[in-house]
Amino acid sequence: EAGVAQSPRYKIIEKRQSVAFWCNPISGHATLYWYQQILGQGPKLLIQFQNNGVVDDSQLPKDRFSAERLKGVDSTLKIQPAKLEDSAVYLCASSLVPSSGNTIYFGEGSWLTVV
Amino acid sequence: AQSVTQPDIHITVSEGASLELRCNYSYGATPYLFWYVQSPGQGLQLLLKYFSGDTLVQGIKGFEAEFKRSQSSFNLRKPSVHWSDAAEYFCAVAPMDSSYKLIFGSGTRLLVRP
Repeated sequence: EAGVAQSPRYKIIEKRQSVAFWCNPISGHATLYWYQQILGQGPKLLIQFQNNGVVDDSQLPKDRFSAERLKGVDSTLKIQPAKLEDSAVYLCASSLVPSSGNTIYFGEGSWLTVV
Repeated sequence: AQSVTQPDIHITVSEGASLELRCNYSYGATPYLFWYVQSPGQGLQLLLKYFSGDTLVQGIKGFEAEFKRSQSSFNLRKPSVHWSDAAEYFCAVAPMDSSYKLIFGSGTRLLVRP
């Protein structure tokens, strides 16, 4: 079974530039998550989708971050304009409909460095 | 507010020695509890999870964890560490509702001495 796919794996941009990350979840997984992991910290949830609807985006900095999952499958996370403090790993994850029996599976992450 | 505390930033053990990684949580009710492992440059892999029932949970790679409600703890253990266990370990909680939002601790980096 294919895992959660993310691209690009690595990206270096200058501050004030824009960047986009793509995620393809495990086939059949209705729920998709984007997490931000700053060096030395645990991952923090940015946004959670259920199919193509947003369940929780309370921690997404909406002035610069946006995410979409238009067809309820793959998703894009965009940052515009980037700041130095956005340097982090962006982890995409997916699961079946949230319930006690379902595991959240993570991709390998997209590493962003803002200089 | 919900929070997860992993008090040890780094732990070093010798290969073959036993291991215990600590995790304490602050939550209004008993949440779902998880341990994930992250190897360098890799994503997070689920080691084990606790939802209800037996408070001693068995996971993959020989790991186990024990839920202690009175101490709000969910410590991870392994009787004999292998060099391949060197990685970062994250404890996480999630509310017992439909949101399933994981809240992670800051992680413990495990170093294994040959």
